[in-house]
Amino acid sequence: ELKVEQNPLFLSMQEGKNYTIYCNYSTTSDRLYWYRQDPGKSLESLFVLLSNGAVKQEGRLMASLDTKARLSTLHITAAVHDLSATYFCAVGDAGGTSYGKLTFGQGTILTVHP
Amino acid sequence: EAGVAQSPRYKIIEKRQSVAFWCNPISGHATLYWYQQILGQGPKLLIQFQNNGVVDDSQLPKDRFSAERLKGVDSTLKIQPAKLEDSAVYLCASSWTPMNTEAFFGQGTRLTVV
Repeated sequence: ELKVEQNPLFLSMQEGKNYTIYCNYSTTSDRLYWYRQDPGKSLESLFVLLSNGAVKQEGRLMASLDTKARLSTLHITAAVHDLSATYFCAVGDAGGTSYGKLTFGQGTILTVHP
Repeated sequence: EAGVAQSPRYKIIEKRQSVAFWCNPISGHATLYWYQQILGQGPKLLIQFQNNGVVDDSQLPKDRFSAERLKGVDSTLKIQPAKLEDSAVYLCASSWTPMNTEAFFGQGTRLTVV
C-alpha cells in the first residue's frame, strides 16, 4: 500500500525567508503532484512532476522529484504572506486498475508572518 | 473552460439520515473521482469511475456509501445512513483519462453530521 508522508506538518515562516517542505513516498510511482489549498477552498494544482530529476518553478515556489529516493521537495524562496496555505503532495498509483488514483500526504500548513 | 461543479456546497444532517451529493465533471473528462477529506487530513479516494464503470472502490464503505455515474457524465454520491464520522468535505475531481497527468478538483461539499 502506497504511503505518503510530508514534513513538516506545520511551518511558520517569516517573510523573506527560505524553507523546504519534504514529501516521501513508499512505493514506485511515475507521477507526483503538489497542490495548494486555501481555507474553505478546493485544491489548486501547482506542479506535476513526471520523471526523475524533474524540476519545476513558478514564482517563489520550486518543486523537484527524485524517484530513486522516492522524495520530492517544495522549496519556498523569500516567502510572502500570500503563500500562507496548506500544501499537499500527492503520488499517483503506478499501475493496475488503480492508475489515476492519488494518495495524498497529510498536508503542510504554512503560515508566513511579517 | 468550466471547472468541476459540485452541489450542494454545505449540508448539515442528523446521524442516521441520508444525503446525496452531485458532481458535474469538466466536459469530455472520462475519469471521475470522489475523495473524502476529513478536517486536518489529506483527501482519500473513495471511488474512481472510467466513463460509467467503476475502476476502484476499494476504500468506499459500501454498507453505507454508494455512487453512480449514469451515462458517463454526472455522478452522485450517497450516504445512507450517515454517521458522525462521515463529517468531512467530499471532493469530486475529473481528468481526461487515468493516464492524463492532471486531475481537476471541484469546490467540494462540506458535510456536517450532528
